[in-house]
Amino acid sequence: GEDVEQSLFLSVREGDSSVINCTYTDSSSTYLYWYKQEPGAGLQLLTYIFSNMDMKQDQRLTVLLNKKDKHLSLRIADTQTGDSAIYFCAERFYGGSQGNLIFGKGTKLSVKP
Amino acid sequence: EAGVAQSPRYKIIEKRQSVAFWCNPISGHATLYWYQQILGQGPKLLIQFQNNGVVDDSQLPKDRFSAERLKGVDSTLKIQPAKLEDSAVYLCASSFGGETQYFGPGTRLLVL
Repeated sequence: GEDVEQSLFLSVREGDSSVINCTYTDSSSTYLYWYKQEPGAGLQLLTYIFSNMDMKQDQRLTVLLNKKDKHLSLRIADTQTGDSAIYFCAERFYGGSQGNLIFGKGTKLSVKP
Repeated sequence: EAGVAQSPRYKIIEKRQSVAFWCNPISGHATLYWYQQILGQGPKLLIQFQNNGVVDDSQLPKDRFSAERLKGVDSTLKIQPAKLEDSAVYLCASSFGGETQYFGPGTRLLVL
C-alpha cells in the first residue's frame, strides 16, 4: 500500500537552513507536494515538483527529488521564526481512482531565535 | 481571489449527536475534497467530488458519514451519530485541474 514517512520534529536556530525529509512508496506518483500548517489553520501549499524533475527552487525554498530512492526533501534557507509550523509531504497516488493525495504525519519545525 | 471557505470553525457536540459542516470551494473549481485530520496525523481523504458526482468515497464511513454537493458548488458533510473517535479537524479542499489542491481553514470538531 501507499505510505509517506517523515521525521516528526526538527529544531533549528534562526538564520540557519532547515532540511525536512520525506520518503514515499508509490513509484507511479507524478506530483509530490509540500504543505505548511500553522497552529489552528488549514494547509497552505508551499511548492510541488513534477516527478521528472530533480530540483525546484522558489525563493527560500528548494525541493530535491531522488526518484531512485523515493526521497523528497525541502530546504528552507535563512529560516525565520515565522517558518515555525508543521510541514507535510504528500504524494499524488494513482492506486485509487483519481490521483488522491497521501500525506505524511508532518514534521514540526521549531525555530529558535 | 477568495479561498476555500468553511463553517463553522469550531463545533463541540456530545456523542450520538449529529453535526454538519459546510464548504464553499474556490470559484470555478470543479473538484472538491473532504479530508479528516486527526491530531498528530496528516489529512486523510474521506470523499472526492467532480462537479456534483462522487469520484471516490472509499474511505468514508458510510454508516455514519454522508456528503453531498447538489449543485456542483457548495458541499455539506454530515456525521450522524457522532462517536468520540470522530474528534478531528475536517478540511475541505478544491482544485481546478486536479494537480493542485487548495485547502480551507478547517472545522475543528470535539465529540464529548
